[in-house]
Amino acid sequence: NAGVTQTPKFQVLKTGQSMTLQCAQDMNHEYMSWYRQDPGMGLRLIHYSVGAGITDQGEVPNGYNVSRSTTEDFPLRLLSAAPSQTSVYFCASSNSGGSYEQYFGPGTRLTVT
Amino acid sequence: DQQVKQNSPSLSVQEGRISILNCDYTNSMFDYFLWYKKYPAEGPTFLISISSIKDKNEDGRFTVFLNKSAKHLSLHIVPSQPGDSAVYFCAASTYNDMRFGAGTRLTVKP
Repeated sequence: NAGVTQTPKFQVLKTGQSMTLQCAQDMNHEYMSWYRQDPGMGLRLIHYSVGAGITDQGEVPNGYNVSRSTTEDFPLRLLSAAPSQTSVYFCASSNSGGSYEQYFGPGTRLTVT
Repeated sequence: DQQVKQNSPSLSVQEGRISILNCDYTNSMFDYFLWYKKYPAEGPTFLISISSIKDKNEDGRFTVFLNKSAKHLSLHIVPSQPGDSAVYFCAASTYNDMRFGAGTRLTVKP
């Protein structure tokens, strides 16, 4: 099992550009989520999904879109990047919902200039 | 507002001694608490958890204590090993909403 994979590992964007961060898991987990990690802030939940076709907002959803067309994939879209979105992004999945142990991907470091 | 707080950004202990990492929370609706460990350039990995109906959970060298009246939990690592050096995140959750603390960097010196 590869677990949770994320691409790309690093990305630099200019303000106003759009991009999609990819996330995939091969553990057949129903629950998937996206977090961002900023210095002094810990990890903050952006969006989550409890199954294919079902998504919901987390603590900091503004500026991000998600969709869940398959169990395996949960992409995160930045529609118009802003410097405030410079962060490290982690995707995670769980077989028991968002309240319990989650398996995290290696992260994507995004810089918006 | 930060509902989960780790007030010590860093902690340094000697190999073989006890490491105690602390965490405070404000939301009494949290019903599950977790600790994650993170190495540089990797994602967090789950370490240990505790339900709000318990006050202690032990797994090998790791023990988590929960004091609901004080809204406080702690992670004890005994004995500490150099490989335990990492950033430790406390997390608290209720119904798909998981909140993390800012992390404590633990350094275990040989």
